[in-house]
Amino acid sequence: AQTVTQSQPEMSVQEAETVTLSCTYDTSENNYYLFWYKQPPSRQMILVIRQEAYKQQNATENRFSVNFQKAAKSFSLKISDSQLGDTAMYFCAFMKPYPNDYKLSFGAGTTVTVRA
Amino acid sequence: DTGVSQDPRHKITKRGQNVTFRCDPISEHNRLYWYRQTLGQGPEFLTYFQNEAQLEKSRLLSDRFSAERPKGSFSTLEIQRTEQGDSAMYLCASSQGQALRGDTQYFGPGTRLTVL
Repeated sequence: AQTVTQSQPEMSVQEAETVTLSCTYDTSENNYYLFWYKQPPSRQMILVIRQEAYKQQNATENRFSVNFQKAAKSFSLKISDSQLGDTAMYFCAFMKPYPNDYKLSFGAGTTVTVRA
Repeated sequence: DTGVSQDPRHKITKRGQNVTFRCDPISEHNRLYWYRQTLGQGPEFLTYFQNEAQLEKSRLLSDRFSAERPKGSFSTLEIQRTEQGDSAMYLCASSQGQALRGDTQYFGPGTRLTVL
């Protein structure tokens, strides 16, 4: 089974500041997919950003960016200019390549609280 | 695009009773997934469908669990003879089913099951 580790159970950040969430994973695959999902309190999980392992360029989506270090098997998420609406649990997830590209393996999550 | 919907949102039942949950995926999404999430943890994969075919089942899915997706549209997840350990959030997700691309899974709001 794939192992995804998020070593920070909780993070707190001041509004407008930057916070970085860490994620490491264990795999012997060369190609795979990585995701960050956000789960706000009592609301459904939504995709924040995704990265294909064969792409060297780090993915970015507005205020969200990743630092993908393939050799180190590290996939951190940076939230810039934090907003109150960013308060949520953030999950890092791993997906194997085809034909096993059907199962997401999630980390335990990091709770992010943005302070006003 | 109305998103993935799940019904009911909450279910409280007594130990030993049967429960059934429904998931309506995003229209034209070929793949449908079920995950289970316990408090403070990341979701764990249970099973998935490609159209109406159930192609993979986790060992977490005991004989008391059964899932169907008739006609490749909505899906149901039934738990027979519920146990207190079944208490969790049951999440449904769907995706387009684009092979070789690690397609993104879109999640529903979940059904929270409490077994007394």
